[in-house]
Amino acid sequence: DIQMTQSPSSLSASLGDRVTITCRASEDISTYLHWYQQRPGKAPKLLIFAASNLQSGVPSRFSGSGSGTDFTLTISSLQPEDFATYYCQQSYSALYTFGPGTKLEIK
Amino acid sequence: EVQLVESGGDLVQPGGSLRLSCAASGFSLNTYWTHWVRQAPGKGLEWVARMNSEGASISHADAVKGRFTISRDNAKNTFFLQMGSLRADDTAVYYCAISRFSTSSLDSWGQGTLVSVSP
Repeated sequence: DIQMTQSPSSLSASLGDRVTITCRASEDISTYLHWYQQRPGKAPKLLIFAASNLQSGVPSRFSGSGSGTDFTLTISSLQPEDFATYYCQQSYSALYTFGPGTKLEIK
Repeated sequence: EVQLVESGGDLVQPGGSLRLSCAASGFSLNTYWTHWVRQAPGKGLEWVARMNSEGASISHADAVKGRFTISRDNAKNTFFLQMGSLRADDTAVYYCAISRFSTSSLDSWGQGTLVSVSP
Protein backbone atom coordinates (compact mmCIF):
# COMPACT_ATOMS: atom_id res chain seq x y z
CA ASP A 1 0.00 0.00 0.00
CA ILE A 2 1.04 3.59 -0.58
CA GLN A 3 1.79 5.34 2.72
CA MET A 4 1.13 9.03 3.16
CA THR A 5 2.85 11.25 5.69
CA GLN A 6 2.14 14.87 6.60
CA SER A 7 4.14 17.52 8.39
CA PRO A 8 3.73 19.14 10.71
CA SER A 9 1.15 17.11 12.65
CA SER A 10 -0.02 20.33 14.28
CA LEU A 11 0.59 23.98 13.68
CA SER A 12 -0.21 27.17 15.58
CA ALA A 13 -0.62 30.31 13.51
CA SER A 14 -2.22 33.75 13.64
CA LEU A 15 -4.86 35.41 11.53
CA GLY A 16 -3.31 36.69 8.32
CA ASP A 17 -0.35 34.28 8.45
CA ARG A 18 0.79 32.29 5.44
CA VAL A 19 1.04 28.59 6.24
CA THR A 20 2.30 25.58 4.33
CA ILE A 21 1.52 21.93 5.00
CA THR A 22 3.57 19.18 3.41
CA CYS A 23 2.44 15.73 2.29
CA ARG A 24 4.76 12.96 1.14
CA ALA A 25 3.89 9.69 -0.58
CA SER A 26 5.91 6.49 -0.16
CA GLU A 27 6.12 6.14 -3.95
CA ASP A 28 5.50 8.19 -7.08
CA ILE A 29 1.79 9.06 -7.34
CA SER A 30 2.09 11.59 -10.18
CA THR A 31 -0.56 14.22 -9.34
CA TYR A 32 -3.17 11.85 -7.90
CA LEU A 33 -3.16 13.86 -4.68
CA HIS A 34 -6.06 15.71 -3.10
CA TRP A 35 -6.48 17.94 -0.05
CA TYR A 36 -9.43 18.08 2.35
CA GLN A 37 -10.43 20.33 5.23
CA GLN A 38 -12.34 18.99 8.21
CA ARG A 39 -13.84 21.17 10.89
CA PRO A 40 -14.78 19.57 14.25
CA GLY A 41 -17.93 17.49 14.05
CA LYS A 42 -18.27 18.01 10.30
CA ALA A 43 -17.68 15.93 7.20
CA PRO A 44 -14.47 16.56 5.24
CA LYS A 45 -14.59 19.05 2.39
CA LEU A 46 -12.55 18.85 -0.81
CA LEU A 47 -10.24 21.85 -1.28
CA ILE A 48 -7.74 20.87 -3.96
CA PHE A 49 -7.88 18.02 -6.48
CA ALA A 50 -5.13 16.60 -8.66
CA ALA A 51 -2.44 18.36 -6.62
CA SER A 52 -3.07 21.92 -7.79
CA ASN A 53 -6.67 22.39 -8.93
CA LEU A 54 -8.93 24.51 -6.75
CA GLN A 55 -12.34 22.95 -6.14
CA SER A 56 -15.27 25.14 -7.15
CA GLY A 57 -16.32 27.47 -4.37
CA VAL A 58 -13.07 27.21 -2.41
CA PRO A 59 -11.40 30.57 -1.69
CA SER A 60 -8.36 31.45 -3.78
CA ARG A 61 -6.16 31.80 -0.68
CA PHE A 62 -5.85 28.00 -0.84
CA SER A 63 -3.35 26.57 -3.30
CA GLY A 64 -1.62 23.27 -3.90
CA SER A 65 1.50 22.18 -5.67
CA GLY A 66 3.73 19.20 -6.24
CA SER A 67 4.00 15.96 -8.17
CA GLY A 68 5.63 12.59 -7.73
CA THR A 69 6.13 12.12 -3.99
CA ASP A 70 6.16 15.64 -2.50
CA PHE A 71 3.21 18.00 -2.25
CA THR A 72 2.26 21.17 -0.44
CA LEU A 73 -0.92 22.94 0.58
CA THR A 74 -0.57 26.67 1.17
CA ILE A 75 -3.01 29.07 2.77
CA SER A 76 -1.91 32.57 1.86
CA SER A 77 -3.64 34.58 4.60
CA LEU A 78 -5.33 32.69 7.42
CA GLN A 79 -8.96 33.48 8.13
CA PRO A 80 -10.90 32.42 11.25
CA GLU A 81 -12.76 29.69 9.39
CA ASP A 82 -9.47 28.07 8.26
CA PHE A 83 -8.64 26.69 11.69
CA ALA A 84 -9.36 23.01 11.12
CA THR A 85 -7.63 19.72 10.33
CA TYR A 86 -6.23 19.15 6.85
CA TYR A 87 -5.74 15.78 5.16
CA CYS A 88 -4.02 14.74 1.98
CA GLN A 89 -5.20 11.65 0.10
CA GLN A 90 -3.80 9.66 -2.82
CA SER A 91 -5.90 7.99 -5.50
CA TYR A 92 -3.03 6.62 -7.59
CA SER A 93 -3.45 3.07 -6.35
CA ALA A 94 -6.68 1.09 -6.21
CA LEU A 95 -6.40 1.28 -2.41
CA TYR A 96 -6.76 4.95 -1.56
CA THR A 97 -4.97 6.25 1.53
CA PHE A 98 -5.12 9.41 3.61
CA GLY A 99 -2.36 11.19 5.40
CA PRO A 100 -2.60 11.35 9.21
CA GLY A 101 -3.76 14.97 9.19
CA THR A 102 -2.43 18.38 10.21
CA LYS A 103 -4.33 20.27 12.88
CA LEU A 104 -4.16 24.02 12.39
CA GLU A 105 -4.80 25.96 15.58
CA ILE A 106 -5.02 29.61 16.50
CA LYS A 107 -1.92 31.03 18.17
CA GLU B 1 -28.35 20.48 -4.78
CA VAL B 2 -26.07 17.46 -4.52
CA GLN B 3 -26.81 15.61 -1.31
CA LEU B 4 -25.68 12.32 0.21
CA VAL B 5 -27.46 10.98 3.28
CA GLU B 6 -26.18 7.99 5.23
CA SER B 7 -28.32 5.74 7.39
CA GLY B 8 -28.03 2.45 9.22
CA GLY B 9 -25.50 3.27 11.90
CA ASP B 10 -26.18 1.57 15.24
CA LEU B 11 -24.76 -0.09 18.33
CA VAL B 12 -23.89 -3.69 17.51
CA GLN B 13 -22.20 -6.51 19.39
CA PRO B 14 -18.79 -7.86 18.35
CA GLY B 15 -19.21 -10.44 15.62
CA GLY B 16 -22.43 -8.84 14.44
CA SER B 17 -23.47 -7.40 11.08
CA LEU B 18 -24.83 -4.09 9.85
CA ARG B 19 -25.72 -2.54 6.51
CA LEU B 20 -25.13 1.13 5.88
CA SER B 21 -26.95 2.98 3.13
CA CYS B 22 -26.12 6.20 1.31
CA ALA B 23 -28.96 7.84 -0.58
CA ALA B 24 -28.07 10.37 -3.26
CA SER B 25 -30.36 13.22 -4.30
CA GLY B 26 -30.10 16.15 -6.68
CA PHE B 27 -28.08 14.17 -9.23
CA SER B 28 -27.83 10.75 -10.82
CA LEU B 29 -25.41 8.42 -9.09
CA ASN B 30 -24.81 6.21 -12.12
CA THR B 31 -21.85 8.18 -13.50
CA TYR B 32 -19.99 8.45 -10.22
CA TRP B 33 -17.66 6.19 -8.31
CA THR B 34 -18.84 5.55 -4.76
CA HIS B 35 -16.76 5.33 -1.59
CA TRP B 36 -16.93 4.72 2.11
CA VAL B 37 -14.51 6.43 4.51
CA ARG B 38 -14.47 6.04 8.28
CA GLN B 39 -13.13 7.98 11.23
CA ALA B 40 -12.62 6.37 14.62
CA PRO B 41 -13.25 8.64 17.63
CA GLY B 42 -10.50 11.25 17.85
CA LYS B 43 -8.60 9.73 14.91
CA GLY B 44 -7.93 10.54 11.27
CA LEU B 45 -9.71 9.53 8.10
CA GLU B 46 -9.44 5.95 6.83
CA TRP B 47 -10.59 5.02 3.33
CA VAL B 48 -12.67 1.81 3.43
CA ALA B 49 -13.97 0.85 -0.01
CA ARG B 50 -14.84 2.04 -3.51
CA MET B 51 -16.85 0.89 -6.47
CA ASN B 52 -16.73 2.27 -10.01
CA SER B 53 -19.81 3.59 -11.79
CA GLU B 54 -20.57 0.27 -13.54
CA GLY B 55 -20.00 -1.79 -10.42
CA ALA B 56 -17.34 -3.85 -12.19
CA SER B 57 -14.30 -2.55 -10.30
CA ILE B 58 -14.33 -2.85 -6.51
CA SER B 59 -11.62 -2.36 -3.90
CA HIS B 60 -11.63 -2.74 -0.14
CA ALA B 61 -9.02 -1.67 2.39
CA ASP B 62 -6.99 -4.52 3.85
CA ALA B 63 -8.47 -3.82 7.30
CA VAL B 64 -11.98 -4.73 6.11
CA LYS B 65 -11.33 -7.12 3.21
CA GLY B 66 -13.40 -10.26 3.52
CA ARG B 67 -15.67 -8.69 6.15
CA PHE B 68 -17.15 -5.62 4.40
CA THR B 69 -18.69 -5.37 0.93
CA ILE B 70 -19.57 -2.25 -1.02
CA SER B 71 -22.48 -2.39 -3.46
CA ARG B 72 -24.82 -0.04 -5.30
CA ASP B 73 -28.30 0.17 -6.76
CA ASN B 74 -28.25 2.83 -9.45
CA ALA B 75 -31.99 2.49 -10.02
CA LYS B 76 -32.56 3.57 -6.42
CA ASN B 77 -29.72 6.12 -6.50
CA THR B 78 -28.31 4.47 -3.41
CA PHE B 79 -25.18 2.61 -2.40
CA PHE B 80 -24.38 0.39 0.52
CA LEU B 81 -21.74 -1.01 2.85
CA GLN B 82 -22.49 -4.48 4.18
CA MET B 83 -20.43 -4.97 7.33
CA GLY B 84 -19.86 -8.35 8.97
CA SER B 85 -17.69 -9.91 11.71
CA LEU B 86 -17.63 -6.51 13.35
CA ARG B 87 -14.90 -5.76 15.87
CA ALA B 88 -14.39 -3.04 18.45
CA ASP B 89 -11.86 -1.32 16.19
CA ASP B 90 -14.56 -0.88 13.52
CA THR B 91 -16.20 1.68 15.81
CA ALA B 92 -16.24 4.92 13.83
CA VAL B 93 -18.28 7.51 12.01
CA TYR B 94 -18.77 6.18 8.50
CA TYR B 95 -18.97 8.68 5.66
CA CYS B 96 -20.14 8.00 2.14
CA ALA B 97 -18.59 10.00 -0.69
CA ILE B 98 -18.53 10.17 -4.48
CA SER B 99 -15.86 10.82 -7.06
CA ARG B 100 -15.67 11.37 -10.79
CA PHE B 101 -13.49 9.07 -12.86
CA SER B 102 -11.77 12.10 -14.39
CA THR B 103 -10.40 13.43 -11.09
CA SER B 104 -10.77 10.58 -8.54
CA SER B 105 -11.03 13.07 -5.67
CA LEU B 106 -13.86 12.69 -3.15
CA ASP B 107 -15.98 15.60 -4.31
CA SER B 108 -19.04 15.32 -2.10
CA TRP B 109 -19.58 13.71 1.27
CA GLY B 110 -22.48 12.68 3.45
CA GLN B 111 -22.82 13.87 7.04
CA GLY B 112 -21.72 10.53 8.53
CA THR B 113 -23.38 7.76 10.51
CA LEU B 114 -22.00 6.30 13.75
CA VAL B 115 -21.27 2.60 14.12
CA SER B 116 -20.42 1.45 17.64
CA VAL B 117 -19.23 -2.09 18.26
CA SER B 118 -19.46 -3.04 21.91
CA PRO B 119 -20.73 -5.94 24.06
